[in-house]
Amino acid sequence: EPEVTQTPSHQVTQMGQEVILRCVPISNHLYFYWYRQILGQKVEFLVSFYNNEISEKSEIFDDQFSVERPDGSNFTLKIRSTKLEDSAMYFCASKGSWAQPQHFGDGTRLSIL
Amino acid sequence: KNEVEQSPQNLTAQEGEFITINCSYSVGISALHWLQQHPGGGIVSLFMLSSGKKKHGRLIATINIQEKHSSLHITASHPRDSAVYICAVSPLSNTGNQFYFGTGTSLTVIP
Repeated sequence: EPEVTQTPSHQVTQMGQEVILRCVPISNHLYFYWYRQILGQKVEFLVSFYNNEISEKSEIFDDQFSVERPDGSNFTLKIRSTKLEDSAMYFCASKGSWAQPQHFGDGTRLSIL
Repeated sequence: KNEVEQSPQNLTAQEGEFITINCSYSVGISALHWLQQHPGGGIVSLFMLSSGKKKHGRLIATINIQEKHSSLHITASHPRDSAVYICAVSPLSNTGNQFYFGTGTSLTVIP
């Protein structure tokens, strides 16, 4: 069965550095999402992406964050000037049409030191 | 503010028991989602529904749009059902592509 894959599984970065989290959605999917889950807290929506542009974003997704689909397969989340509070698990998801359920990747654990 | 509330927060059941997890929300929605998060952290989408009832194996999800309430039922529970169950809603918007999440219900099924 096709899967959403995320790399790396764990990223450790110094505060203030930029980090890029990578996701390969399922190949024929059209809708893409990033979520974050701070340890012990609920999942939070960051951004959705459709037709090569952001369709919705949350209050969390400020100028520090950006997303890109640089080619036909990757979907990336860039976090600039990382802060300690950016430490979290970041999940990518994709789906084929609006009415279909999302498929989630296994997540990238981001640790900011 | 919490747009989505779940109850109970924690639930322990004996194998074979019928389980109900509740979700209430405060906004107009285009869809409601039930997700399962495994102890290792992976998330699986169980249901997406906007009306009525859906069934998949031993899992049943219902929604009452007027009451802004949904329930997830597990029949004949099994230890492998132990996980965190998360309710999420897509609020009414232009795209329906934003989500509010509940805090999850942690279920433990004891053999």
